[in-house]
Amino acid sequence: AQKITQTQPGMFVQEKEAVTLDCTYDTSDQSYGLFWYKQPSSGEMIFLIYQGSYDEQNATEGRYSLNFQKARKSANLVISASQLGDSAMYFCAGNRGSTLGRLYFGRGTQLTVWP
Amino acid sequence: DTGVSQNPRHKITKRGQNVTFRCDPISEHNRLYWYRQTLGQGPEFLTYFQNEAQLEKSRLLSDRFSAERPKGSFSTLEIQRTEQGDSAMYLCASSMPGLAGGTDTQYFGPGTRLTVL
Repeated sequence: AQKITQTQPGMFVQEKEAVTLDCTYDTSDQSYGLFWYKQPSSGEMIFLIYQGSYDEQNATEGRYSLNFQKARKSANLVISASQLGDSAMYFCAGNRGSTLGRLYFGRGTQLTVWP
Repeated sequence: DTGVSQNPRHKITKRGQNVTFRCDPISEHNRLYWYRQTLGQGPEFLTYFQNEAQLEKSRLLSDRFSAERPKGSFSTLEIQRTEQGDSAMYLCASSMPGLAGGTDTQYFGPGTRLTVL
């Protein structure tokens, strides 16, 4: 199984600054996927970015990038140029690439962006 | 809007009652997942379907829980004899493995918040 650890319960960042949200994972699988989701106070989980274990380059999607360090088993989310609307809960999740299917989630990091 | 939809959005019930939730996935997605999320936690997997086949169930899915996807489209999650510990957000997600290079990106609905009194 995948074990996902997010050690930052809360993070604060000033508008327009960059912020890094930490995620480490523990799996014995060779093939797996790592995901980041955003959950605003409304409750819906919004997919942000995906990184496959065999992808050689770090994934990027607009202001989001994933700093993937396979040897350290980390998949940190970097948000550049933070906006007030980025304030939300952020979850790191992983699956087992050999079977795809269920996601294993971390406990999340509450990000607050201040003006 | 062609995203995942869930109904109802909120449900308040008394302990011992049965409740049923519905999830309509993105139309071309063949996989459908149910998760439960309690306050301060990440979502926990309950079960998933590929088309109408239920492929995996978590041990969290006790005998009081049952999920169906009879025609491979929408799904229902029923909880019988609800308990206060069932109070949570129930999230549904859908995916189509292979659409984006072998990934299985799951897209979530808005959730159903259950409160058991």
